[in-house]
Amino acid sequence: QKEVEQNSGPLSVPEGAIASLNCTYSDRGSQSFFWYRQYSGKSPELIMFIYSNGDKEDGRFTAQLNKASQYVSLLIRDSQPSDSATYLCAVGGSQGNLIFGKGTKLSVKP
Amino acid sequence: DAGVIQSPRHEVTEMGQEVTLRCKPISGHDYLFWYRQTMMRGLELLIYFNNNVPIDDSGMPEDRFSAKMPNASFSTLKIQPSEPRDSAVYFCASSPGQAGYQPQHFGDGTRLSIL
Repeated sequence: QKEVEQNSGPLSVPEGAIASLNCTYSDRGSQSFFWYRQYSGKSPELIMFIYSNGDKEDGRFTAQLNKASQYVSLLIRDSQPSDSATYLCAVGGSQGNLIFGKGTKLSVKP
Repeated sequence: DAGVIQSPRHEVTEMGQEVTLRCKPISGHDYLFWYRQTMMRGLELLIYFNNNVPIDDSGMPEDRFSAKMPNASFSTLKIQPSEPRDSAVYFCASSPGQAGYQPQHFGDGTRLSIL
């Protein structure tokens, strides 16, 4: 059973701080890694994807991938109250679909 | 470009009734996915299609659920007969190119309540 694990949270950080969201996966054959943001009552929205080991930066967001440790993370710098949402980690593998974690709820306090 | 379009946005019906959910993927996307999301189980893949052909339906809970994709721009998910435990948010997503490698783009979802 291929699995993607995330801490459900809630993760609470003060405004302006760095939020660190983590995800582990079980399928060593996984090739693609995605972070989605989901506001309450809304659909998942893609914010980052990464395919290679290392860091990928996009504005305030940085995705980090370590395939040897089967670990992917998302850093949000200068966190804003508008970043408060559930963050879903998704992993793509050889079977052609994405496996989603259950998400980490982030709360950014003003 | 228009995103993934789902209808209806909300559906409330009584147990035993047939429910039909509809989805129009993004034009040019070869893959279409149906998901169900609940608090307890998170986001679960039900079925996905490639070029209108079902590839993996192992997530379909039971025979009461069926999905079709008669053409590249339309798909349906049917539940017959519906049960209260089917209450959830159902999402349709589409992606270009190789599934599992390209990002998926989600519709707004259908919030289904079975009384």
